[in-house]
Amino acid sequence: GAGVSQTPSNKVTEKGKYVELRCDPISGHTALYWYRQSLGQGPEFLIYFQGTGAADDSGLPNDRFFAVRPEGSVSTLKIQRTERGDSAVYLCASSFGLHSYNEQFFGPGTRLTVL
Amino acid sequence: QQQVKQSPQSLIVQKGGISIINCAYENTAFDYFPWYQQFPGKGPALLIAIRPDVSEKKEGRFTISFNKSAKQFSLHIMDSQPGDSATYFCAARGETGANNLFFGTGTRLTVIP
Repeated sequence: GAGVSQTPSNKVTEKGKYVELRCDPISGHTALYWYRQSLGQGPEFLIYFQGTGAADDSGLPNDRFFAVRPEGSVSTLKIQRTERGDSAVYLCASSFGLHSYNEQFFGPGTRLTVL
Repeated sequence: QQQVKQSPQSLIVQKGGISIINCAYENTAFDYFPWYQQFPGKGPALLIAIRPDVSEKKEGRFTISFNKSAKQFSLHIMDSQPGDSATYFCAARGETGANNLFFGTGTRLTVIP
């Protein structure tokens, strides 16, 4: 009964580099969400998947951000040409289905620092 | 534009006291209002949630009060304990088709022994 896991827990990179952040959802959860949490703020929605498809990517800030979920389980958030403003904790959550009342279970997050 | 507004930013309460955190929203399409608790270095964890068809929900020491006409809801923590010290986020979610959560900016609660 493992929860949502995210790797790495911390990632330090240099401005302009490419990074990948991984999320392993709870087994059997079909919906997967990515959020970004800046220091002192609440999580901010980026994208969610139902199965393999991105059902809503309206929260992605620009085209440097991309996420995939090729087999409907593990998801990878990809950030190209990182900028200092991308520094934040990236949270992944999963839920059993997409109904409004389905609880979202969050992982511990990946803290990204762009130098 | 902040979809859910939360106050206060920080709160200090004596052990045994009542902690109250308030939130307000504008979008009447929201139909699910959860509260999350977050400890340092951890992801948010669901604490308690309410639907707009009820005015109050209680689970142990935690109570949500919901005022649909005012578009406001609040979290009350009774008999606050040092272990309750954490950051609390209110959130709101729309109907199926808009499933992301909109979070408030958080309240850092400190319960003094």
